[in-house]
Amino acid sequence: SQQGEEDPQALSIQEGENATMNCSYKTSINNLQWYRQNSGRGLVHLILIRSNEREKHSGRLRVTLDTSKKSSSLLITASRAADTASYFCATERTGGGNKLTFGTGTQLKVEL
Amino acid sequence: DGGITQSPKYLFRKEGQNVTLSCEQNLNHDAMYWYRQDPGQGLRLIYYSQIVNDFQKGDIAEGYSVSREKKESFPLTVTSAQKNPTAFYLCASSSREGGAYNEQFFGPGTRLTVL
Repeated sequence: SQQGEEDPQALSIQEGENATMNCSYKTSINNLQWYRQNSGRGLVHLILIRSNEREKHSGRLRVTLDTSKKSSSLLITASRAADTASYFCATERTGGGNKLTFGTGTQLKVEL
Repeated sequence: DGGITQSPKYLFRKEGQNVTLSCEQNLNHDAMYWYRQDPGQGLRLIYYSQIVNDFQKGDIAEGYSVSREKKESFPLTVTSAQKNPTAFYLCASSSREGGAYNEQFFGPGTRLTVL
């Protein structure tokens, strides 16, 4: 079963707007990671946030983690057409070794 | 030019045949993973290996087999026992720092179609 559930499933915005994607999970975790996938390609790691962290930034990306609500959000600011891709959250469960469990993804389309 | 490579990019197979997908990394990573992705879905873990000569089943290991004879190589065999093998297969690797593993680096994937 999927540990992470992303919301929304699909998101369409205009270039320059911000995009927010959410991820909910069910069990306690060591860390939560966000990945990006362009159509038909491999995944690219964006950011990793550990369970004792609440917020992390990387360039135009901002990730928050609320372990009490078992949820995370990914914010992409000032979006560009090149940001069009699918975005996945993945969780490393506590005691689960280094296995990641992926959600079903959010498809982001940024239009000119 | 460091990274993780998969071959072939596209693979066609007849029903009843076994087929092996290649995955090689020159990142000196200890851990390697195989995932399966179906259309519009997330990734599901097939097998993973934390060290040479050792590997563990993931969530959907039935019908698949792997080996880890070398640190840089983690081939996946899709056997005829796999009921629905048509999918996009992704290989990944990660390094370890102390007791924690870092992010996973992914290959470009192999799209397998069973005819």
